[in-house]
Amino acid sequence: DGGITQSPKYLFRKEGQNVTLSCEQNLNHDAMYWYRQDPGQGLRLIYYSQIVNDFQKGDIAEGYSVSREKKESFPLTVTSAQKNPTAFYLCASSIGRQGAQPQHFGDGTRLSIL
Amino acid sequence: DAKTTQPTSMDCAEGRAANLPCNHSTISGNEYVYWYRQIHSQGPQYIIHGLKNNETNEMASLIITEDRKSSTLILPHATLRDTAVYYCIVRAYSNYQLIWGAGTKLIIKP
Repeated sequence: DGGITQSPKYLFRKEGQNVTLSCEQNLNHDAMYWYRQDPGQGLRLIYYSQIVNDFQKGDIAEGYSVSREKKESFPLTVTSAQKNPTAFYLCASSIGRQGAQPQHFGDGTRLSIL
Repeated sequence: DAKTTQPTSMDCAEGRAANLPCNHSTISGNEYVYWYRQIHSQGPQYIIHGLKNNETNEMASLIITEDRKSSTLILPHATLRDTAVYYCIVRAYSNYQLIWGAGTKLIIKP
């Protein structure tokens, strides 16, 4: 079945540590996205990528980094510069950046600080 | 800021139709209306989207008013598994950005 796989489901970070969240899709989608969700809130865009080797900052990119070396993969690194990293992180993909086709989401990674 | 307004919460009896309203009074001509839902601790699930005409799929129906300033998502026969937060979002055809509000918490009661 086609879909978006995020791993791990739960992740714990120590102070000052970088952690990387995985996102893989087998939908052959060009565009991929990372969102952050805090309790009781809607999603906020961190980064997005239209094609391989290209990505753009979203509304809250500070303290995060991404790479897009393969079409299927869009990992997100939460760096030590992100002072409030505890949140639910969601990866999404769509056929293209533009157009009416919707974004589809993975099941998320919940990151907590030890 | 989100460009839509939704009630904070709603209840519906199991087996009845759930009608979720959404106001998008500033919608532009090239903006689509999308509906997603999020069950606790899961990723959002796409439900349906539309531009002008009413739309129906296996999950729901979307009714958009003629002036496009509001819409209603209809779940025809609600089940307990439909309990979730439902998000109404407007997005332009040429824009990637989904602006998320707080959504409507729908509780289906037995």
